[in-house]
Amino acid sequence: GQSLEQPSEVTAVEGAIVQINCTYQTSGFYGLSWYQQHDGGAPTFLSYNALDGLEETGRFSSFLSRSDSYGYLLLQELQMKDSASYFCAVRYNFNKFYFGSGTKLNVKP
Amino acid sequence: ETGVTQTPRHLVMGMTNKKSLKCEQHLGHNAMYWYKQSAKKPLELMFVYSLEERVENNSVPSRFSPECPNSSHLFLHLHTLQPEDSALYLCASSQESSINEQFFGPGTRLTVL
Repeated sequence: GQSLEQPSEVTAVEGAIVQINCTYQTSGFYGLSWYQQHDGGAPTFLSYNALDGLEETGRFSSFLSRSDSYGYLLLQELQMKDSASYFCAVRYNFNKFYFGSGTKLNVKP
Repeated sequence: ETGVTQTPRHLVMGMTNKKSLKCEQHLGHNAMYWYKQSAKKPLELMFVYSLEERVENNSVPSRFSPECPNSSHLFLHLHTLQPEDSALYLCASSQESSINEQFFGPGTRLTVL
């Protein structure tokens, strides 16, 4: 089966940097995605890593280590609007996805 | 506006009712998905339609029945549901060549009495 672990909640202050970790166990691994979901909203795609290393998209970066079955999402220069839930999701067996339980990020002034 | 619309946005039904959820995507994608999101649980992939092939999560009960008449429309037919089926049902779409980047609709909030 598949399993994902990510922290349930993280709190940080505006302007700070926060890292949300994700460890996974799966067979047929293809890659790791990250999604953002505001309360009452739909998940929004942030990034996808298929290969080891860091992918940067503006204030957000995502990292993957396939050998460690580990990834993280890095959010820099935090803004109040970044308060949301963040989900990691493994893509496996080509067209299947398994999502984590999500990390609720609270950004305080 | 995400380009993926879902109707209805809210639905209350009894356990003996039959209803359908509708999803439409305006992004020219060729893969569509149904997800279930329950409180305090991970997003659960229910069905995938990719290039007209259906992939299903074997743990989804048969009281949920998907239909994908074309690449732009997706339905989820519901019958004899249970109260534990109450959840947010999300539709998503993507290009089959880029299924890691999915675009989600706003969801249908389903309550089964």
